[in-house]
Amino acid sequence: EAAVTQSPRSKVAVTGGKVTLSCHQTNNHDYMYWYRQDTGHGLRLIHYSYVADSTEKGDIPDGYKASRPSQENFSLILELASLSQTAVYFCASSDWDYAEQFFGPGTRLTVL
Amino acid sequence: GQQVQQSPSSLVLQEGENAELQCNFSSTATQLQWFYQSPGGSLVSLLSNPSGTKHTGRLTSTTVTKERRSSLHISSSQTTDSGTYLCAIETGSFNKLTFGAGTRLAVCP
Repeated sequence: EAAVTQSPRSKVAVTGGKVTLSCHQTNNHDYMYWYRQDTGHGLRLIHYSYVADSTEKGDIPDGYKASRPSQENFSLILELASLSQTAVYFCASSDWDYAEQFFGPGTRLTVL
Repeated sequence: GQQVQQSPSSLVLQEGENAELQCNFSSTATQLQWFYQSPGGSLVSLLSNPSGTKHTGRLTSTTVTKERRSSLHISSSQTTDSGTYLCAIETGSFNKLTFGAGTRLAVCP
């Protein structure tokens, strides 16, 4: 069965610190995504990638970088974490345009 | 950019009642997915339905593309259906989704 895993599952970071969230998929999917969800809201797209070694900006990329070193792995990097980046972060993968997206379990990030 | 509006924002049912959730969007959608988010936060895709009617179990989704709306009907609700239902659309390439804020459903025994 398709699987998307994320690590860590939760993290507390200090303002100004660097945070790296990792995502691994075993679906053999080309497309991967990072979304954030704020309490009581839907998800918003931060970065996405359609091929290894390439990333693209989504709707809210400011303050975030992404890295796709292989088809299976996709990281989200917060170089200087800020209070406003406290949220739940979801990684997802999909096969091709119009295909169903499969989501990881989420990472709860708290920036203090 | 694209907007996705879901209604109602919350809904309380007695077990066994039916639910009708609405999703309206501002741009023509090439893909539309309904997701269930559990109270613990995990996301599960329920249906992909960019047009027409689809059924799975107790769920029926009807999407009228030219009217930019979709509905999710849940029949004979159960307490385990409680959670948040999210509608998401894709309007361009690379399957990038835009989500609505969700409908929070509570089913009481």
